[in-house]
Amino acid sequence: GNSVTQMEGPVTLSEEAFLTINCTYTATGYPSLFWYVQYPGEGLQLLLKATKADDKGSNKGFEATYRKETTSFHLEKGSVQVSDSAVYFCALYPNTGNQFYFGTGTSLTVIP
Amino acid sequence: DAGVTQSPTHLIKTRGQHVTLRCSPISGHKSVSWYQQVLGQGPQFIFQYYEKEERGRGNFPDRFSARQFPNYSSELNVNALLLGDSALYLCASSLALAGSQETQYFGPGTRLLVL
Repeated sequence: GNSVTQMEGPVTLSEEAFLTINCTYTATGYPSLFWYVQYPGEGLQLLLKATKADDKGSNKGFEATYRKETTSFHLEKGSVQVSDSAVYFCALYPNTGNQFYFGTGTSLTVIP
Repeated sequence: DAGVTQSPTHLIKTRGQHVTLRCSPISGHKSVSWYQQVLGQGPQFIFQYYEKEERGRGNFPDRFSARQFPNYSSELNVNALLLGDSALYLCASSLALAGSQETQYFGPGTRLLVL
């Protein structure tokens, strides 16, 4: 089946710290992988995506690389800001399916 | 331009009742998807509609139904409400079928509480 596993939260970091949020997946075939972000009081927004192995998605200083050998798509940012405080969701879309599968979300709080 | 809008924002119902949730997609978008997000969990796919036809259905009971209107707005209906239906219901719209190449844009959601 298709599923996404994210690291448990919440995560609390000081401003300018390095961020990693782990995401691994199980899927048939070669899915596309996504990170969505949900800021307080807002709807989910697409942060970045990668559609094939070894692709790197990037946006707003965040990066994630599609690793087929480890079935992973870890989210990283070199220096987090208070404004990055949000809930981050990893998701996949199977190449033979018709729906998205989301992880449980990881809450990030960045303190000044 | 207006984003995806959903109504109502909050709703309280009792077990056994019926509820209708509404979604207006971004202008020009022809596809609408519905998700259920239980507290502490990620969104779970319920339905996707494109050009007024159902194009995908998640693992939800027949108590859940939806439709899309000629103006591409959509309704999600849930019958015989259970306590476990309490959740945030999200609507997302996209130009075409949401998938690896088509970005979906989410609304703020309708929070349903079943007592």
